[in-house]
Amino acid sequence: DAMVIQNPRYQVTQFGKPVTLSCSQTLNHNVMYWYQQKSSQAPKLLFHYYDKDFNNEADTPDNFQSRRPNTSFCFLDIRSPGLGDAAMYLCATSIRTSGGPLNNEQFFGPGTRLTVL
Amino acid sequence: GQSLEQPSEVTAVEGAIVQINCTYQTSGFYGLSWYQQHDGGAPTFLSYNALDGLEETGRFSSFLSRSDSYGYLLLQELQMKDSASYFCAVIDNYGQNFVFGPGTRLSVLP
Repeated sequence: DAMVIQNPRYQVTQFGKPVTLSCSQTLNHNVMYWYQQKSSQAPKLLFHYYDKDFNNEADTPDNFQSRRPNTSFCFLDIRSPGLGDAAMYLCATSIRTSGGPLNNEQFFGPGTRLTVL
Repeated sequence: GQSLEQPSEVTAVEGAIVQINCTYQTSGFYGLSWYQQHDGGAPTFLSYNALDGLEETGRFSSFLSRSDSYGYLLLQELQMKDSASYFCAVIDNYGQNFVFGPGTRLSVLP
């Protein structure tokens, strides 16, 4: 089945120690998103890639970076995790036609729960 | 910037009908989506409205009034498995941004 895969499902890191979260997709979608979701809150978009074009949300901290080496994979790098970065990180994908809007239907992976000690 | 409002919690009994409202303030509004998220799970897409009116998908329907900047999700014949958080989300800035509302936690009681 076509899907969005996130690894690992649970990640523990130490305060200030860089960490990378991974997302892969078999849907061949051209847009990939990274969201942060804290307990009892809505998912908050950090950034998205439209093909190779990177789109950063204005209020995403510089501590968060992303890489998309090819259509299938996208990575979230947290350079110096703080206690406030503990959250669920969700990857999602969608299709966007050339010149068209972001698609309303996004397909989410299961998420990676990040714990910062 | 954008702002979206939803009730934080709604409670209903099995078999009932419940309506979850969403009001928004955005620029360059493009459409309103609804997502369901069970505890510990990922959001899943339910429906989308770009134009005014009602969209029906099985037990779930979604409505949009662009002139009122308002929409709702209607859930009929509630089942226990419908207990979850429901998020409205807007595409705005002429299709360039995607923002989730704060979410409504629905509890379905036996």
